[in-house]
Amino acid sequence: QVQLQQWGAGLLKSSETLSLSCAVYGGSLSGNYWSWIRQSPGKGLEWIGEINHSGSTNYNPSLKSRVTMSLDTSKSEFSLRLHSVTAADTAVYYCARTDDTLTGTIPYFELWGQGTLVTVSS
Amino acid sequence: DIQMTQSPSSLSASIGDRVTITCRASQSISNYFNWYQQKPGEAPKLLIYAASILQSGVPSRFSGSGSGTDFTLTISSLQPEDFATYYCQQSYSIPLTFGGGTKVEIK
Repeated sequence: QVQLQQWGAGLLKSSETLSLSCAVYGGSLSGNYWSWIRQSPGKGLEWIGEINHSGSTNYNPSLKSRVTMSLDTSKSEFSLRLHSVTAADTAVYYCARTDDTLTGTIPYFELWGQGTLVTVSS
Repeated sequence: DIQMTQSPSSLSASIGDRVTITCRASQSISNYFNWYQQKPGEAPKLLIYAASILQSGVPSRFSGSGSGTDFTLTISSLQPEDFATYYCQQSYSIPLTFGGGTKVEIK
């Protein structure tokens, strides 16, 4: 059974860079896009962006200037970096698999990581 | 961006009640639409995909309908384990977006 396990620093100061990673256990990065999604009390669930096994990315335009996603196929890991964070970036961050296996065309999020609370202090 | 507007934002219901949650997209999204359930401290769980297809393992009391801009999630007979927050999500265009959530509480 495929599982996602994520980790990263939970406490940052303003202007620092958020860095999170997510490992795929029981599977590989091939064949799917892999997303980062965050959840804050003020803005609900927000899709940050996605990366596929070839390194192709799609980012949310609202965060695009500060986001970098990367992957290490040898380790079946993908990562998120969010630069120049502020208190508004305080949220629980999730990694998730963007899947369309059941529909062929309609993406959905069936597999999620456990979530990482990131708090940005000033 | 496509805006997803859920209503109500919260509701109180009793065990056995029929519950309906609606979600409206700011433009037509065909059936590129999913529903999720989230309990405190947990990641969202996929309930329904492609607007009306029940995810494997999800009880049949959950159903989804709609296409275009208007969508509905129905719980036919509310059970204790259904008290949670429900989110809609569109997959029609990037950025993928979610509704603001509907919290279902015990009356």
